[in-house]
Amino acid sequence: GAVVSQHPSWVICKSGTSVKIECRSLDFQATTMFWYRQFPKQSLMLMATSNEGSKATYEQGVEKDKFLINHASLTLSTLTVTSAHPEDSSFYICSARDRSGPLDEQFFGPGTRLTVL
Amino acid sequence: GEDVEQSLFLSVREGDSSVINCTYTDSSSTYLYWYKQEPGAGLQLLTYIFSNMDMKQDQRLTVLLNKKDKHLSLRIADTQTGDSAIYFCAESGDNTDKLIFGTGTRLQVFP
Repeated sequence: GAVVSQHPSWVICKSGTSVKIECRSLDFQATTMFWYRQFPKQSLMLMATSNEGSKATYEQGVEKDKFLINHASLTLSTLTVTSAHPEDSSFYICSARDRSGPLDEQFFGPGTRLTVL
Repeated sequence: GEDVEQSLFLSVREGDSSVINCTYTDSSSTYLYWYKQEPGAGLQLLTYIFSNMDMKQDQRLTVLLNKKDKHLSLRIADTQTGDSAIYFCAESGDNTDKLIFGTGTRLQVFP
């Protein structure tokens, strides 16, 4: 199956700093990628839909100026958490849509655990 | 809006069958999915069912869909300790890219 990677797998940062998380589709091109966050023992909540070459579409309640998304190529989307605060600590998961298959499936990255001190 | 509910926890003995249930509200869902998440990892698609199907079997996995009641279930036959994980059901609408995930069911398999 298609492979999606995320980097870093975990990061610890100080409050007020910015953190960038990368999501890459390794063996397919993805015009659409998705960013989710997951709190402990909870479900995945969609934050935004990242479209190659255009602006991301954010879900209601997600601050676009705080969570900057860039999808500059067909294999890479980045999520930057700006001016991070402890409440931003979470597990961030990306997925990439592979439209070449019969299911139009989303493939998920392994996740990035962000801890803000 | 869409809402997908699951029971939070299920504990079964190794070798028994597990049944994980899910209810959803969006009747326009085209596909319904089951994902598995192991600790600290991303999601792995286990199986899916098209909305005009009632049942789908894939090796140890059986998916049942009751569209009238908006109820989806995943049965795992001969459950193994390696099946211990969190299982999410998810739905996608007909005209949307989005996946709406359920609350997740933590399956624990004991010897």
